[in-house]
Amino acid sequence: QQQVKQSPQSLIVQKGGISIINCAYENTAFDYFPWYQQFPGKGPALLIAIRPDVSEKKEGRFTISFNKSAKQFSLHIMDSQPGDSATYFCAASMDYGGATNKLIFGTGTLLAVQP
Amino acid sequence: DAGVTQSPTHLIKTRGQHVTLRCSPISGHKSVSWYQQVLGQGPQFIFQYYEKEERGRGNFPDRFSARQFPNYSSELNVNALLLGDSALYLCASSNPRVYNEQFFGPGTRLTVL
Repeated sequence: QQQVKQSPQSLIVQKGGISIINCAYENTAFDYFPWYQQFPGKGPALLIAIRPDVSEKKEGRFTISFNKSAKQFSLHIMDSQPGDSATYFCAASMDYGGATNKLIFGTGTLLAVQP
Repeated sequence: DAGVTQSPTHLIKTRGQHVTLRCSPISGHKSVSWYQQVLGQGPQFIFQYYEKEERGRGNFPDRFSARQFPNYSSELNVNALLLGDSALYLCASSNPRVYNEQFFGPGTRLTVL
């Protein structure tokens, strides 16, 4: 129940196209869903995050779509650029109490944007 | 403002040795979390400390320990290193009583030979 399942494992998109990465979860107590971007040899960088009270959040070219009933959420990257080529991780967290907010990560999606 | 800093950047150890990794959180953040990222996988939660107290522990053996200092910096210690401990160790900084966002440092790449 603590797992977050992420797909696809890898993705190739043409420059200017839309990249879509999907995640699914089981634990309905999760209430915070961030996406991280990681370049080789670097730590994950927080891209965008959403809470279950909204169905969509947009920041620049990045959009999270959230479907509470299906327990799924996805990241859309509009107008994908070669500089977006990286590994993307979805994650989930909840109020564990006692100021604990550990993240449960998906397995990652390697995105390659071809010029 | 400076982000999360970690030291050292890279480390090579042999089996059976111990290692200490260090992390300084973002100024004003009172919580540090440690994650292990094996190549090709997502980060796995090891520990979380808030106000110098352990607030969460992942499914890792007792060879792993950590502590947080009065200035909110933190150390992760791993004893009796195994080959399988080779990974990128990530430190994340947050203020969990304010918001949920966690910000990661660059990590320490540990190689156990």
